[in-house]
Amino acid sequence: KAGVTQTPRYLIKTRGQQVTLSCSPISGHRSVSWYQQTPGQGLQFLFEYFSETQRNKGNFPGRFSGRQFSNSRSEMNVSTLELGDSALYLCASSLEPGRREPQHFGDGTRLSIL
Amino acid sequence: SQKIEQNSEALNIQEGKTATLTCNYTNYSPAYLQWYRQDPGRGPVFLLLIRENEKEKRKERLKVTFDTTLKQSLFHITASQPADSATYLCALSGGGADGLTFGKGTHLIIQP
Repeated sequence: KAGVTQTPRYLIKTRGQQVTLSCSPISGHRSVSWYQQTPGQGLQFLFEYFSETQRNKGNFPGRFSGRQFSNSRSEMNVSTLELGDSALYLCASSLEPGRREPQHFGDGTRLSIL
Repeated sequence: SQKIEQNSEALNIQEGKTATLTCNYTNYSPAYLQWYRQDPGRGPVFLLLIRENEKEKRKERLKVTFDTTLKQSLFHITASQPADSATYLCALSGGGADGLTFGKGTHLIIQP
């Protein structure tokens, strides 16, 4: 069974631009969560989607948004990029929402803002 | 505010010994606690999940304990090997729809 796939793996953008990251969950997994990882803050929860609906959102500004499609694939968008948005963005999938199940992570998208 | 603390210093263990990693939390009443392993440039990989009413969980050379009175989880790797070298993350959640809250991880180095 293929794992969680995130594209692209690496991305370089400049301040003020916007970016869209993509995540394909494990087949059969309907819940997708997004996390931001930085050396200073560690792994921080962005949001979770299930059945095309955002179920939960972390403490991030409205510049961070996401969506989920009917095939469970998900995208996240960051608008008006800032230098502090440089991070590893990780997507995780699970069979169902809620935190009783293991999260299966992709290898992330490394976003660098110049 | 909720806080999860893991040893920020790297932990150096000699091969063959037992490595013990600590996860302490405050201002939190988690229903579930999970441990993940992360290698450089890769996403975290799930290792073990333990519920608040479970004291201990084992999987092969791994053992996790969960003490809700001390607000602490211990993660043990017995007969450690250099291949066990990685960053280990603990993560907590309540029973509802809240997201996972991760610690910053402990970097474990197993020396031959």
